[in-house]
Amino acid sequence: QKEVEQDPGPLSVPEGAIVSLNCTYSNSAFQYFMWYRQYSRKGPELLMYTYSSGNKEDGRFTAQVDKSSKYISLFIRDSQPSDSATYLCAMSDGKFYFGSGTKLNVKP
Amino acid sequence: GAVVSQHPSWVICKSGTSVKIECRSLDFQATTMFWYRQFPKQSLMLMATSNEGSKATYEQGVEKDKFLINHASLTLSTLTVTSAHPEDSSFYICSARLELGTDTQYFGPGTRLTVL
Repeated sequence: QKEVEQDPGPLSVPEGAIVSLNCTYSNSAFQYFMWYRQYSRKGPELLMYTYSSGNKEDGRFTAQVDKSSKYISLFIRDSQPSDSATYLCAMSDGKFYFGSGTKLNVKP
Repeated sequence: GAVVSQHPSWVICKSGTSVKIECRSLDFQATTMFWYRQFPKQSLMLMATSNEGSKATYEQGVEKDKFLINHASLTLSTLTVTSAHPEDSSFYICSARLELGTDTQYFGPGTRLTVL
């Protein structure tokens, strides 16, 4: 079993939709949780990072961590075609573990 | 956010030559940097962890004599692909670890290497 599981997609949604991206994990020692966005042929860009359970909001993005269920989510409101990218979750217990990435396509 | 640069952004070289890729943290000091390799439509593959002032730690299956890593300062790590061959053609991405108040990585823009 992988440390971090992420549905590879692709996920296709119409412009303006609310997008929900998710990862599950098995290691209860993970303390830091991150979401990255990667456009084709570019390095990943850090979108959000959280430390504790709960929600963290930044503009159209909301990161949610549920440590009891070992589940994290990234919500994108009012999705735009420019949000089309691969989204990677990552976690750290001193060592980093990445999900395999979910490819998102937002259709105009 | 923290900025990490990589140079060059792309390089084409002949088989048998060596290529050096630089990774710099521009606005913070990073005791730890990471080097990744990514094939098209695949996820990141960690190659090695680079620690300032000490030898890099390589992941299983990564040839340390082929992929030379030097982390000479708190803002610079280099990856040298020695005697490159076409199968080394890939997208190489570095990242720098920021541990001030958090524990996360900031990635460079990547370097596309094509070996002819």
